[in-house]
Amino acid sequence: GAVVSQHPSWVICKSGTSVKIECRSLDFQATTMFWYRQFPKQSLMLMATSNEGSKATYEQGVEKDKFLINHASLTLSTLTVTSAHPEDSSFYICSEGGPSTDTQYFGPGTRLTVL
Amino acid sequence: KQEVTQIPAALSVPEGENLVLNCSFTDSAIYNLQWFRQDPGKGLTSLLLIQSSQREQTSGRLNASLDKSSGRSTLYIAASQPGDSATYLCAVNPQGAQKLVFGQGTRLTINP
Repeated sequence: GAVVSQHPSWVICKSGTSVKIECRSLDFQATTMFWYRQFPKQSLMLMATSNEGSKATYEQGVEKDKFLINHASLTLSTLTVTSAHPEDSSFYICSEGGPSTDTQYFGPGTRLTVL
Repeated sequence: KQEVTQIPAALSVPEGENLVLNCSFTDSAIYNLQWFRQDPGKGLTSLLLIQSSQREQTSGRLNASLDKSSGRSTLYIAASQPGDSATYLCAVNPQGAQKLVFGQGTRLTINP
């Protein structure tokens, strides 16, 4: 399966700052990547679909101006949480579809804590 | 809107037991269904993928079944081991949408 990395693996920031999370596809050129959010003891919720070279598609209820997604190359998508607040504290996981549309390959996740 | 439910939310059993995790979904128009494993603070590992035309898939001690018409899937784990302790997530891939809809997971603990 495809290999996906995320950086950083964890980050602590002050309220009001912006945080950038990187998602890299290490062995596959991914035209589409996905960003999920997982609150403690809850399931993954899709936030947005990141398309290389075009605007991301956001799920209902996700603020596109707060969660900026950039997919400038076939191997890198970034999620920037702007003006982060404590309620944004969560586990953010990216995935990409790999060579098949049957499944997705997930990164190891990034734990964001906003103080 | 597709919704996925997993029962039970948590399960604790002694080592060696066979067990079944349940997953149900509200819309039978799915492309496939997957079972994932998630260790605490980690990403997801795909365990089994069942296409909509299939009834079951097996990998080692794991067997997943799919009854699309009734909106149900089960994950059977044989001869459980402490290393099986993790959260197991069920996810469906709705037809016409390249995205996954997840259940809330079952937190499994296997006691030595």
